[in-house]
Amino acid sequence: QKEVEQNSGPLSVPEGAIASLNCTYSDRGSQSFFWYRQYSGKSPELIMSIYSNGDKEDGRFTAQLNKASQYVSLLIRDSQPSDSATYLCAVSTGNQFYFGTGTSLTVIP
Amino acid sequence: GAGVSQSPSNKVTEKGKDVELRCDPISGHTALYWYRQSLGQGLEFLIYFQGNSAPDKSGLPSDRFSAERTGGSVSTLTIQRTQQEDSAVYLCASSFREAGEAFFGQGTRLTVV
Repeated sequence: QKEVEQNSGPLSVPEGAIASLNCTYSDRGSQSFFWYRQYSGKSPELIMSIYSNGDKEDGRFTAQLNKASQYVSLLIRDSQPSDSATYLCAVSTGNQFYFGTGTSLTVIP
Repeated sequence: GAGVSQSPSNKVTEKGKDVELRCDPISGHTALYWYRQSLGQGLEFLIYFQGNSAPDKSGLPSDRFSAERTGGSVSTLTIQRTQQEDSAVYLCASSFREAGEAFFGQGTRLTVV
């Protein structure tokens, strides 16, 4: 069974701090890795994609991928109250995306 | 259109009725996915379409669920003889290629009473 595991949280950080979200996956054949943000009552919104080992930065967000350890992470720098949401890790092997159950993040002003 | 469009946004139906949910993917996207999300739960895969290939139906929970994609574009998810446990948000996503970035529509909230 292909699994994606995330810490369910909740994770609370003060405004301006770095939030660190982690994800592990079980299928070594996974090709693509994504982070989605989901506000309460809304659909998931893609915020980062990463396909190869290493870091990928986009504004305040940095995704990190380590295929040997089957580990994906998301760092949010200078966290803002508007970052408060559930963050979903998603892994694709081709024909579908496998989602973690999400980590709830609260940024405290 | 600019994004994935789903209709209706909300649907309330009586137990035992059939419902149809529509998804209009981003133009040019060959891959289309249906997921559902029950309250407070994760995303459950339902079905995947890629171009003209046979769909991956491995996630459909019962034979009451079916989906089609006409002309490689618009998709319709049909639930027959709805049950209360079918109540959930049904999400459609599309991507330009297999395993590429997928973008979700706003979802259809289905309530079976």
